[in-house]
Amino acid sequence: AQRVTQPEKLLSVFKGAPVELKCNYSYSGSPELFWYVQYSRQRLQLLLRHISRESIKGFTADLNKGETSFHLKKPFAQEEDSAMYYCALSGGGNKLVFGAGTILRVKS
Amino acid sequence: DTAVSQTPKYLVTQMGNDKSIKCEQNLGHDTMYWYKQDSKKFLKIMFSYNNKELIINETVPNRFSPKSPDKAHLNLHINSLELGDSAVYFCASSKQGAGEKLFFGSGTQLSVL
Repeated sequence: AQRVTQPEKLLSVFKGAPVELKCNYSYSGSPELFWYVQYSRQRLQLLLRHISRESIKGFTADLNKGETSFHLKKPFAQEEDSAMYYCALSGGGNKLVFGAGTILRVKS
Repeated sequence: DTAVSQTPKYLVTQMGNDKSIKCEQNLGHDTMYWYKQDSKKFLKIMFSYNNKELIINETVPNRFSPKSPDKAHLNLHINSLELGDSAVYFCASSKQGAGEKLFFGSGTQLSVL
């Protein structure tokens, strides 16, 4: 079974502070991991995927198979980063399973 | 020129009624999905279609019946609506399978009174 855990419902940081949104997964096969973001009044959209190994809007995420984690990080938070962030896992096929989501609030 | 469009945006109805939500994508994608987002913002997959064929049905009650007349459309019909059906329903599509980037619609907020 595919399972994604995001332990924090809400993460509140000050502008300029580092951000780490935690994501752990459970899957017996070889997973594909993603981070999706939903800004206020906007659609859910892909932020990044582990297979691309890219940095989007200053965010990075490294797949750690030993710890079964895919934490999202940014060294310096900006107010426009405030949004709902979802970690998601695909085990291949047509099923993308989402975590419960973490609200990131960046305070000025 | 919206990529994934779903209608209506809001739907308020009485218990026991039957309602439909429509979804269309103009991206030429093969795979389409329906997700339900509950009041706690948890996103749960309901159905997945690939080229008009049902691939995933995640233990959704029989009252929910998806229909895909062609690969650009995936509609969701709900019979005998219940209070617990109140949620935001999202349609999404991807080129081929869930390993690809999903494009989401703007959601349909369903309120059952």
